[in-house]
Amino acid sequence: DTEVTQTPKHLVMGMTNKKSLKCEQHMGHRAMYWYKQKAKKPPELMFVYSYEKLSINESVPSRFSPECPNSSLLNLHLHALQPEDSALYLCASSQLNMGFYDNEQFFGPGTRLTVL
Amino acid sequence: DAKTTQPPSMDCAEGRAANLPCNHSTISGNEYVYWYRQIHSQGPQYIIHGLKNNETNEMASLIITEDRKSSTLILPHATLRDTAVYYCIVRTAGNQFYFGTGTSLTVIP
Repeated sequence: DTEVTQTPKHLVMGMTNKKSLKCEQHMGHRAMYWYKQKAKKPPELMFVYSYEKLSINESVPSRFSPECPNSSLLNLHLHALQPEDSALYLCASSQLNMGFYDNEQFFGPGTRLTVL
Repeated sequence: DAKTTQPPSMDCAEGRAANLPCNHSTISGNEYVYWYRQIHSQGPQYIIHGLKNNETNEMASLIITEDRKSSTLILPHATLRDTAVYYCIVRTAGNQFYFGTGTSLTVIP
């Protein structure tokens, strides 16, 4: 199984709602990532988890709260978002061999988020 | 600061080689160059990666200059299904992927 799955595919939420995005992989990867992609722009890294611990936060606002409950699952909790947060949210995973950084990232199909 | 720069768009005739350039003049010695492509806002798809040496796989070839300041992705026989946005990426030792702005490749029949 070389697939990263993301749910839901589409999400519409109001600025006062709380929602969560889910990402799952069963490739035994110990690094997982969240990216944000605005229309016609490249993906931008948000968070990196290594061995289920947050290792990189690219100065993301606190209204985005990541969680890695186990080695296969990655969540992104959303609260009090703004319309400008509307974007495609991509999850990725990769092997994690300490000292070696030539492992490809496998991307999921993304969740299309619209904030009203 | 962008770690990579790419031309915004390119055309290529079907069946011909597509050569996509990328500049990464500030790349560090232990940072890898990756190439991904993205079709219609699907998740990016891995193509190839390299550190110093040229690389080839079933999809493409990657040519990295000796000074490592630039690289070229070569799709040897472009097909219509290769129409996509191609991203040149620098992967840091801190396990971060920095995407370039991408090149929109259109393969013309």
